[in-house]
Amino acid sequence: DIQMTQSPSSVSASVGDRVTITCQASLGISNWLAWYQQKPGKAPKLLIYAASSLQSGVPSRFSGSGSGTDFTLTINSLQPEDFATYYCQQANSFPLTFGGGTKVEI
Amino acid sequence: EVQLVESGGGLVQPGRSLRLSCAASGFIFDDYAMHWVRQAPGKGLEWVSGISWNSGSTGYADSVEGRFTISRDNAKNSLYLQMSSLSPEDTAFYYCGKGLSAAIYGGTDHWGQGTLVTVSS
Repeated sequence: DIQMTQSPSSVSASVGDRVTITCQASLGISNWLAWYQQKPGKAPKLLIYAASSLQSGVPSRFSGSGSGTDFTLTINSLQPEDFATYYCQQANSFPLTFGGGTKVEI
Repeated sequence: EVQLVESGGGLVQPGRSLRLSCAASGFIFDDYAMHWVRQAPGKGLEWVSGISWNSGSTGYADSVEGRFTISRDNAKNSLYLQMSSLSPEDTAFYYCGKGLSAAIYGGTDHWGQGTLVTVSS
């Protein structure tokens, strides 16, 4: 199975900050990586797919990069509604594993 | 508007079985793969299973392989998860998700609100 290591597990930030979250795959997954945002009590929301493609309706302050084993989610100019937990998921091979999550908090 | 509505969750005793359903609307169901993802209370996301558009390809997490079976009925726009030999470790919210394409690979772009499965005696 491909393991997804996400870091940091939590980050404290302020409105307007730039936040970077990394995800490392234990094997190469090309660009088969997605990023999700989840708020308490809610279902996850797709932000980025294919490592760098912005899902329709997602603000442009979110961006993704990377290929192979190393990936990054960047949130520019953090907004109040961005405080949430973020997950990466490899979509290259079964099982489609998630990272452990990164909680972005004040 | 894409809508996914899960049902079938509840309290079940260890060792018993349960069948989850997901009713889909707002998109051409048989054009897309579908997934089940779960989340134990206070924990992270765990992909459980996925199925391609025509049921030709299925996949499972190691933790459920051999106990859970995913299926779909394209005529009824419905996704199912048959769960057997349930254990307390299976306690979680179970989310139904729509794939990005017909194939299982690529991620999930819409999710239901989840149904809670509690395995306890």
